[in-house]
Amino acid sequence: DIQMTQSPSSLSASVGDSVTITCRAGQSISSYLNWYQQEPGKAPKLLIYAASSLQIGVPSRFTGSGSGTDFTLHISSLQPEDFATYYCQQSYSSPPTFGQGTKVDIK
Amino acid sequence: EVLLVESGGGLVKPGGSLRLSCAASGFTFSNAWMNWVRQAPGKGLEWIGRIKSKSEGGPTDYAAPVKGRFTISRDDSKNTLSLQMNSLKSEDTAVYYCTTETEVALGHNAMDVWGQGTTVTVSS
Repeated sequence: DIQMTQSPSSLSASVGDSVTITCRAGQSISSYLNWYQQEPGKAPKLLIYAASSLQIGVPSRFTGSGSGTDFTLHISSLQPEDFATYYCQQSYSSPPTFGQGTKVDIK
Repeated sequence: EVLLVESGGGLVKPGGSLRLSCAASGFTFSNAWMNWVRQAPGKGLEWIGRIKSKSEGGPTDYAAPVKGRFTISRDDSKNTLSLQMNSLKSEDTAVYYCTTETEVALGHNAMDVWGQGTTVTVSS
């Protein structure tokens, strides 16, 4: 199984700040990397697929980048609704595996 | 509107069985790959298994912790996905989500629609 490691595990930020979350794969996964957002008490929601493509309806302040083993999710100008937990997930091989999550909370 | 609605969760004793259902609407269910993903209390997301469309043979694939105990099936006539869980353990306690898996870009799949989840508690 491909291990996915996110950092940091949590971070505190203010509305208007920019934040970056990192995801590292245990082996090269090309661009087979998805990002999900999970608000408290809700189901996860697909944000970004294929490392850098924005899902329909997702605001442009979310950007994804990377390939191979190292990936980033960048959120510019945090909004109140962005305080949530973010997960990366590799779709390179089965089983699909998730990172442990990064919780973004309000400073 | 694309919608997935899970049901069937509850409290079950260790060693017991439970069957979860996921009712799908708003898309052609018979063509869809479907997954189950769970989330233990306060923990991250864990993929449990997948069933492909019948036109592709409907093969299933399972995560190691549930292989041999859990069975995923589909009834395309009722647009329903099921998860039969046997020999349940305390570590199976979680919220269980059904998801679609779609080829969102050429060769790239993602879990693009999620249900609201149903809670399974395994405890004596």
